[in-house]
Amino acid sequence: AQSVTQLDSQVPVFEEAPVELRCNYSSSVSVYLFWYVQYPNQGLQLLLKYLSGSTLVKGINGFEAEFNKSQTSFHLRKPSVHISDTAEYFCAVSPPVSGSARQLTFGSGTQLTVLP
Amino acid sequence: KAGVTQTPRYLIKTRGQQVTLSCSPISGHRSVSWYQQTPGQGLQFLFEYFSETQRNKGNFPGRFSGRQFSNSRSEMNVSTLELGDSALYLCASNIQGAGETQYFGPGTRLLVL
Repeated sequence: AQSVTQLDSQVPVFEEAPVELRCNYSSSVSVYLFWYVQYPNQGLQLLLKYLSGSTLVKGINGFEAEFNKSQTSFHLRKPSVHISDTAEYFCAVSPPVSGSARQLTFGSGTQLTVLP
Repeated sequence: KAGVTQTPRYLIKTRGQQVTLSCSPISGHRSVSWYQQTPGQGLQFLFEYFSETQRNKGNFPGRFSGRQFSNSRSEMNVSTLELGDSALYLCASNIQGAGETQYFGPGTRLLVL
């Protein structure tokens, strides 16, 4: 079984400042890692994912994340945020076994609020 | 390509009733998953369908069921509604294969009174 912990439920940050949203996971097997964003009254949109290879993953809208196996972390970063980045961000994991179900296990979410 | 569509977008029901939600995946996607999102429990996996077969099920009571049709469209049904079933129900589709991006619909917001 897997679990995901997002350490901060709310992160306020000023516009153009850098931000880091923290995610730690627990799993007895290797996993795939994802970050999704949810804007108000919308579904989830994939920001980026880590399957294998380079531990630094770049995504859409200037976001990037780094996979750290030893610390079982997958923190999301952006060097300069915009008002439009205000949203809820979810870290998720899924089992990597080919042919298995596409079950995502989500963290509890981090509300990012960008202040003018 | 059109995205994942869910109908209806909003629904109000009373306790004891049943409800059916519909999801149309992206064309060519054969896997459809359902998730429940509530403020208290967050995002929780309900079940996944692939080629009309339920491939995996989350930890929900039997009142929650689903099915998938030959065109990959999926429905989920909740019988004997309880107040705690009030939630945003999200559908996601992908082609197949672990690690494939899941594309989410806008959700159906269900309110049980």
